[in-house]
Amino acid sequence: EAGVTQFPSHSVIEKGQTVTLRCDPISGHDNLYWYRRVMGKEIKFLLHFVKESKQDESGMPNNRFLAERTGGTYSTLKVQPAELEDSGVYFCASSQAQHTNTQYFGPGTRLTVL
Amino acid sequence: AQSVTQLDSQVPVFEEAPVELRCNYSSSVSVYLFWYVQYPNQGLQLLLKYLSGSTLVKGINGFEAEFNKSQTSFHLRKPSVHISDTAEYFCAVSRGFQKLVFGTGTRLLVSP
Repeated sequence: EAGVTQFPSHSVIEKGQTVTLRCDPISGHDNLYWYRRVMGKEIKFLLHFVKESKQDESGMPNNRFLAERTGGTYSTLKVQPAELEDSGVYFCASSQAQHTNTQYFGPGTRLTVL
Repeated sequence: AQSVTQLDSQVPVFEEAPVELRCNYSSSVSVYLFWYVQYPNQGLQLLLKYLSGSTLVKGINGFEAEFNKSQTSFHLRKPSVHISDTAEYFCAVSRGFQKLVFGTGTRLLVSP
């Protein structure tokens, strides 16, 4: 069984540009989460999808961030326009619709905004 | 709201020595507890989890953790570490299918 995959693994962009990160969850996992780790700080929650619906987007920093999960499969996270403080590692995780919540993480996308 | 405290940002230890990585949490309701590990240049990997039942949880790679409700702790232990255990370890809590709340991480540095 394939794990959670993320693309790209690294992205270097200039301030003001747009970047789109992609996450493919484990097949059959209805729950999909985005997290971010800014250098030197803790991993912080961004948002949670259940299938194609946003269950919780309380962690989204501002309206420059847009997440989608069309069809309830893969998800994209777009940052437009990117700012210097958006640099960090963006993790995606998925879990099954069971009574427990074991989240399986992807390898992350390292975003550097210059 | 939940919070997690990992007091030790870095723990140096010699190979074959025992190690304990501390984790304390704060929550007004029952939570699930997790330890994740991030090896250099890799993603997060689940080490172990406590959902209910026995308070001693065994995970992969010889790690175990003990849930202590009265002390709100979930410390991670290994009786004898290897060089390959060098990594960053994260303690996390969640309620049901809600978000994971992470601690700041502890870097375990194993030297020969």
